[in-house]
Amino acid sequence: GAVVSQHPSRVICKSGTSVKIECRSLDFQATTMFWYRQFPKKSLMLMATSNEGSKATYEQGVEKDKFLINHASLTLSTLTVTSAHPEDSSFYICSARSHQGSYEQYFGPGTRLTVT
Amino acid sequence: ILNVEQSPQSLHVQEGDSTNFTCSFPSSNFYALHWYRWETAKSPEALFVMTLNGDEKKKGRISATLNTKEGYSYLYIKGSQPEDSATYLCAFDSGTYKYIFGTGTRLKVLA
Repeated sequence: GAVVSQHPSRVICKSGTSVKIECRSLDFQATTMFWYRQFPKKSLMLMATSNEGSKATYEQGVEKDKFLINHASLTLSTLTVTSAHPEDSSFYICSARSHQGSYEQYFGPGTRLTVT
Repeated sequence: ILNVEQSPQSLHVQEGDSTNFTCSFPSSNFYALHWYRWETAKSPEALFVMTLNGDEKKKGRISATLNTKEGYSYLYIKGSQPEDSATYLCAFDSGTYKYIFGTGTRLKVLA
């Protein structure tokens, strides 16, 4: 149980284009989903928290117009990197929490984004 | 700024050896400490959620201890096997559900 998928696993795009990454909870309903970014040899850094049906809460320093997050259903959240630049190249990973009061976050396998 | 440190960054051990690594975290505003096992190209897998000072948890050959007063947790692997090779992550949880992760310990078990 508690499986989270992420798609695509790898994507290469050109500068100026937008890329959408999907995060799905496959066998549970996720009231809250989290998006993280990992730079090489660094820890996972929380970008934003999204609750189903409401606007995402972004961490300090994360541009909400650059990283659009939508959590339209209890099983799907999307992260869209708009007008991508090479510095947006990174590893993006999502996690999901099943219900209020749950300690655990369940992670997807991540997406490697390369912007050329 | 809250900091979570893991050491060592990486280590190689022989099959059958026992090993341990450390996660250091802030001793204030503690809610939970999470350990994950992360294999390449897979999702991080939750190993333990530790909440009480003095907690000891065990799953097969892997166990963990927690000291919230001094801000550290140890993860132990007894009789390491090649399939234990992975990155082990810890995450500090202050109760806001915003995890603060360490950079992980990369373990390689040599057959």
